[in-house]
Amino acid sequence: QVQLQESGPGLVKPSETMSLTCTVSGGSISPYYWSWMRQPPGEGLEDIGYIYYSGSTSYNPSLKSRVTISVDTSKNQFSLKLSSVTAADTAVYYCARLGYCSGKCLPDYWGQGTLVTVSS
Amino acid sequence: DIVLTQSPGTLSLSPGERATLSCRASQSINNNYLAWFQQKPGQAPRLLIYGASSRATGIPDRFSGSGSGTDFALTISRLEPEDFAVYHCHQYGRSPRTFGGGTKLEVK
Repeated sequence: QVQLQESGPGLVKPSETMSLTCTVSGGSISPYYWSWMRQPPGEGLEDIGYIYYSGSTSYNPSLKSRVTISVDTSKNQFSLKLSSVTAADTAVYYCARLGYCSGKCLPDYWGQGTLVTVSS
Repeated sequence: DIVLTQSPGTLSLSPGERATLSCRASQSINNNYLAWFQQKPGQAPRLLIYGASSRATGIPDRFSGSGSGTDFALTISRLEPEDFAVYHCHQYGRSPRTFGGGTKLEVK
């Protein structure tokens, strides 16, 4: 059974860079796409971007200037960096595998989510 | 970006009743790349429907999806106690992928 676990600081100061890592167990990083999404408190989900196991990426244009997603296949991990954070970036951040494919791919396995609060 | 508008915001029904949730897109969704997710408090979303009308693996047949173009619906034929949750629609046909604001299905 594939499991994903997000890790990283739960509190980040405004203007700093937040970093999260998703560790994949019970399966391999390849040959899948891996995604980051977020959900601000009381709001809907937002797609941040995704990465292929080979390293190619796609980002939401609204966040593209501040986002970097990377993958480390040797550690079975992928990571998210979001720079110049503000209170609007406070959200539960989810990592997910885009493994349910029929034409295009959808999330089939998710992490439990981690709350990141941006506050001084 | 394709904006997805879900209605109603909250739906109050009793177990055994039929639920119909709506999702309207600001532009036509190509190839009906429209999915539905169920989310319970404190949990990650779970995929229910993909391609507008195909049930994901392990999803009971009381869940059904319909629609095309810009208007889509999720129907739960007979509500079970475990079906009370928040439901999200999601278009994955055009970048950026977007989600609706969610419909909360609560016990009446």
